Amino acid sequence: DTGVSQNPRHKITKRGQNVTFRCDPISEHNRLYWYRQTLGQGPEFLTYFQNEAQLEKSRLLSDRFSAERPKGSFSTLEIQRTEQGDSAMYLCASSLAGHGGGYEQYFGPGTRLTVT
Amino acid sequence: QKEVEQNSGPLSVPEGAIASLNCTYSDRGSQSFFWYRQYSGKSPELIMFIYSNGDKEDGRFTAQLNKASQYVSLLIRDSQPSDSATYLCAVLSGGYQKVTFGTGTKLQVIP
Repeated sequence: DTGVSQNPRHKITKRGQNVTFRCDPISEHNRLYWYRQTLGQGPEFLTYFQNEAQLEKSRLLSDRFSAERPKGSFSTLEIQRTEQGDSAMYLCASSLAGHGGGYEQYFGPGTRLTVT
Repeated sequence: QKEVEQNSGPLSVPEGAIASLNCTYSDRGSQSFFWYRQYSGKSPELIMFIYSNGDKEDGRFTAQLNKASQYVSLLIRDSQPSDSATYLCAVLSGGYQKVTFGTGTKLQVIP
């Protein structure tokens, strides 16, 4: 498998519960991005990593959201105390930046979160 | 003003025609530009990227970039019903090289 993978693909949770998503990027890619997408909107940037360093985090991201990429490979995105407004598709993308260009991002299939 | 703007559509074209999708951006320092195709319920799929002014062709797709006017466009020649999807414009800019997406243009190719 040479693409970006995400797990789980679907998650239904009750309001107030914590959820964690995982993303495995394309193996040689050094950058990993998290986005959130709701119906009729483009992907909204949440945060990104270069190797294990988290370089930027969206101002829209509340303290309930945290992301890690501990060994510069896979990443996790945790949402604590979920709210109904967190219901969305969470997308992960990776790229191989800084090697003569290579800023193109390739997306995983996404994790669809439904908060009831 | 939104950072990346697209007409939401839908843009309807007959099969075999040329579909023209447009995008404008606000950050004059933007460096790289991307077009993604997204089918309903699926994740975005990269179809074109362009870094320099001018045209870039790949099969039936042509991306056009005009940095002075701050717009980027995508032409799809010989449109097929399978091209019916939402097309997202994305722009890379800023010191941390964040990518910002437009809201997408929905394209319908009528058989």
